[in-house]
Amino acid sequence: KAGVTQTPRYLIKTRGQQVTLSCSPISGHRSVSWYQQTPGQGLQFLFEYFSETQRNKGNFPGRFSGRQFSNSRSEMNVSTLELGDSALYLCASSLGQGAHNEQFFGPGTRLTVL
Amino acid sequence: AQKVTQAQTEISVVEKEDVTLDCVYETRDTTYYLFWYKQPPSGELVFLIRRNSFDEQNEISGRYSWNFQKSTSSFNFTITASQVVDSAVYFCALSEAGGRRALTFGSGTRLQVQP
Repeated sequence: KAGVTQTPRYLIKTRGQQVTLSCSPISGHRSVSWYQQTPGQGLQFLFEYFSETQRNKGNFPGRFSGRQFSNSRSEMNVSTLELGDSALYLCASSLGQGAHNEQFFGPGTRLTVL
Repeated sequence: AQKVTQAQTEISVVEKEDVTLDCVYETRDTTYYLFWYKQPPSGELVFLIRRNSFDEQNEISGRYSWNFQKSTSSFNFTITASQVVDSAVYFCALSEAGGRRALTFGSGTRLQVQP
């Protein structure tokens, strides 16, 4: 079974631009969660989608948004990029909704904002 | 609010040594879940174990073992006879409210196993 895939793996953007990251979950998994990892703040939860609906949201500004499609694939978008948005963005999928489930992580997208 | 503390920022051991990674958590909930994840240099987090708050039984899986003690709010992870391939960053995480609340991760412990 293929694992969680994330595209692109690396991205360089400039301040003020917007970016869209993509995540394809493991086949059969209906929940997708997104996390931001930075050296300063560590791993922080962004949001979880299940059955195309956002079920949970972390403490991030509205510039961070996401969506999930009917095939469970998910995208996250960051608008008006700031230098502090430079991070590794990790996507995780699980069979069911909720953080008590075992989550399978993708390799991440490393975003650099210049 | 939930909180996870991994006081050990970095640990360096020589191969075949045993090593224990500490994890202390804070929660007001009676139903919660604890996790350990491994992050090798490749970047993706690898699930190691999940424990719910009602299951205090210690677990052993090969060279890995976990000690869950509610009395001290700790969920420590021991690697026996460490190997170079164990070198990674290890994260402890907590989810409150029966899993309805998102994962809160500790800051991670970087383990370096020298040959």
